[in-house]
This record gives sequence, C-alpha cells and structure tokens, in this order.
Amino acid sequence: EIVLTQSPGTLSLSPGERATLSCRASQSVRSNSLVWYQQKPGQAPRLLIYGASSRATGIPDRFSGSGSGTDFTLTISRLEPEDFAVYYCQQYGGSPTFGQGTKVEIK
Amino acid sequence: EVQLVESGGGLVQPGGSLRLSCAASGFTFSSYPINWVRQAPGKGLEWVSYISLSGTTIYYTDSVNGRFTISRDPAKYSVYLQMNSLRAEDTAVYYCARGPGTGHYFDYWGQGTLVTVSS
Repeated sequence: EIVLTQSPGTLSLSPGERATLSCRASQSVRSNSLVWYQQKPGQAPRLLIYGASSRATGIPDRFSGSGSGTDFTLTISRLEPEDFAVYYCQQYGGSPTFGQGTKVEIK
Repeated sequence: EVQLVESGGGLVQPGGSLRLSCAASGFTFSSYPINWVRQAPGKGLEWVSYISLSGTTIYYTDSVNGRFTISRDPAKYSVYLQMNSLRAEDTAVYYCARGPGTGHYFDYWGQGTLVTVSS
C-alpha cells in the first residue's frame, strides 16, 4: 500500500496570499497518478487536480498541481475567501489511498 | 448535471446489517465505474469499494472484504453497498463517487449518508 503524507497539517494564511501544500508518497506513484480534492465542512470532496497537474472541469486557474515520483505539490496562487478548506491528495497508481489532509485556515 | 444521491444510512448495532443505495442521474450510468468512499467523524477519507461499468470487476479494501458486497442495477441507475457484520469502526459518512474511467479516482461525489454502529 502506498502511504501518502501531507504537510503541513494546518496552514494559516490571509486572503491574497500564496498557499503551497505538499504530498509525499512512500513509493513512486506510477504515471503521476495523483489527484487533489478540496473539502469544506459538511460537504463532499470536490476534485481539483488529476494526473498530478491537470485541472478538473470548472476549477479556477489559481489552483495548480505539480510533481512526480514521490513528491507532489498543490499551489493556490492567491487565496480567495472560498478557498479556506481541507485539501486531500490521493494516489491511484495502486489501490487508492488518501493523505491525511491539510487544513488551510484564515490567519 | 451529474448527481449521485445516497440513502440507507442510520443507526445499527454491532454485528448488524445495512444496505446503502446510490441513485445516479445526469450521465450514462453504464459508462462509468462507481465507488464507495467513507469518512469517519472528524477523520480523513478511505476508499471502500469499486464496481466496474459492467459490474464484472469488483474490489474492496481489506478491512471490509468478506463483510461488504457492492452491486449495481443498470435499469435503476443505482449502486448498492450491502454491509454485514458491522463494527464500531465502520461508523462513517459513506459517499458514492463516480470514477472517470481513465483512472481510479473520483470526479463526482454524492453528499453522503451517515452510518453509525453503536449499541
């Protein structure tokens, strides 16, 4: 099983700032098979990024994904008020597993 | 508009059974795999089960293998999760989630149904 470790656990930032979230895999993720989701309280997760760097339908271009192998990054270029949420990475190179999440909170 | 609506959650005693349903609409049901993903209260996400387009390929996470059964009914645009021998650690919100068919991730999610296993 591929274990995903997200850091930091919590990111305290102000609107307009840049957010950089990390996701590290315990072994190389085949074919960059990694996605990112956003989840707000009381809501289902929403797909943001697939294939490590492709934005899902309707996702603003302030969200970008990068990385390969074992190290992946989600970047939010300028935080909007609606971006404060929990973010999860998930790999699908093997049996799907999720990271434990990074909470982006208002500073 | 793609919609997935779960139902069937509730309170059940340890060792009991429950059947969850997921009603799909807004897309060609037979063209997409469907998954169940759960989230324990205040915790992260855990993939539970997968069923292919035709229903012939099925996978489970180890902790539910042998206790849970996934199935789909194309005529009703629905997917089911039969959960037997329930344990306290199965307590979670259960989400129905569509797979895009190009990888084992989840492009649309339902709003979830809460399963509570407690005496």
